[in-house]
Amino acid sequence: GAVVSQHPSWVICKSGTSVKIECRSLDFQATTMFWYRQFPKQSLMLMATSNEGSKATYEQGVEKDKFLINHASLTLSTLTVTSAHPEDSSFYICSASDRFGPNEQFFGPGTRLTVL
Amino acid sequence: AQSVTQLGSHVSVSEGALVLLRCNYSSSVPPYLFWYVQYPNQGLQLLLKYTSAATLVKGINGFEAEFKKSETSFHLTKPSAHMSDAAEYFCAVEKNQAGTALIFGKGTTLSVSS
Repeated sequence: GAVVSQHPSWVICKSGTSVKIECRSLDFQATTMFWYRQFPKQSLMLMATSNEGSKATYEQGVEKDKFLINHASLTLSTLTVTSAHPEDSSFYICSASDRFGPNEQFFGPGTRLTVL
Repeated sequence: AQSVTQLGSHVSVSEGALVLLRCNYSSSVPPYLFWYVQYPNQGLQLLLKYTSAATLVKGINGFEAEFKKSETSFHLTKPSAHMSDAAEYFCAVEKNQAGTALIFGKGTTLSVSS
């Protein structure tokens, strides 16, 4: 089956630093990748949609300058949290759509970000 | 705009009992609906999906869901709960059609007691 990986699985950083999270589709080409954020005991909230080779589309209320998304290839998308603050601490999950498959997203295992 | 509402944030059943997790949707177009399961500190695993084919959809691990347009519902069921079914369950609808982002319900925590 289609596999999506995320790296790192967890990260702790100091306030004010930047953190990059990678999302990779391991065995398929992903035309579109999505980034979600999940607070403890809550649902997933869509942050942005990224298409390979073009700028990401951000959801209302998501700061594009703070959450930089790059989708440079059909197998890799990155989310960079710039100047992280404790309120950015969350579980970040990416998903990818197979360009040839039916309507289905394959989810990565998530990245736990803790900002001290 | 598309949305889903999961009724009941927490459902508790005994092992071997029927599992029923409720999901109602709101959509201006024929929806594509999904059920996902999430175990602690893990990503999401697709249980099943409805994409306008058969209204009764069978998924993995013995789960199934029935799309009822008249009730705008897509409830998830399993005849006999197992301890390993204890997890968080999310109902989701595509934001727009044709393989776009998902809008998730708030989730239902399923607890299974022996």
